[in-house]
Amino acid sequence: EAGVAQSPRYKIIEKRQSVAFWCNPISGHATLYWYQQILGQGPKLLIQFQNNGVVDDSQLPKDRFSAERLKGVDSTLKIQPAKLEDSAVYLCASSQSIRGGRVYTGELFFGEGSRLTVL
Amino acid sequence: TQLLEQSPQFLSIQEGENLTVYCNSSSVFSSLQWYRQEPGEGPVLLVTVVTGGEVKKLKRLTFQFGDARKDSSLHITAAQPGDTGLYLCAGSGTYKYIFGTGTRLKVLA
Repeated sequence: EAGVAQSPRYKIIEKRQSVAFWCNPISGHATLYWYQQILGQGPKLLIQFQNNGVVDDSQLPKDRFSAERLKGVDSTLKIQPAKLEDSAVYLCASSQSIRGGRVYTGELFFGEGSRLTVL
Repeated sequence: TQLLEQSPQFLSIQEGENLTVYCNSSSVFSSLQWYRQEPGEGPVLLVTVVTGGEVKKLKRLTFQFGDARKDSSLHITAAQPGDTGLYLCAGSGTYKYIFGTGTRLKVLA
């Protein structure tokens, strides 16, 4: 079974430029997550999709970040314009459907991440 | 806002030593997971605990979920260099997973 695919693996840009990250989840996984991980810290959830609908985007800086999941499969996360503090690893994860209603207990499968450096 | 605090933040030990990592919150979680992350990779699931007081063992790793489902611990017996990595707890509540602050473990040969 193929894992979660992300690209690019590395990206270096200057502040105020734009960047886009792509994620292809595991086939059949309804839920897709984008996390931001600052070096050495735990991942912070940016946005969560269930199929192609947004479940949670409360921590997404909407003035500069946007994400979409067209057709409920692939997803793209965009940053425009980038700031120095956006330097981080952007992790995409996917999981199967929820068990027991709104409670999530399934395993998250992560991609290798996209490392962004903003100069 | 649900927060998960892990302690210690960093841990450097010699091969063969035992250690415990803690994951604490003031919030109740429906389930709690532990992940390990190695440099340049995404986190990988180690275990999921669901019931308060539950204990699970994975070879030399022992995981416990607190009775009140607000905290968890990970105990490693006779640590090995291969245990080196970033350990993350993740609490599951309504709709989403919240990750802890992380514990970076280095086991020296």
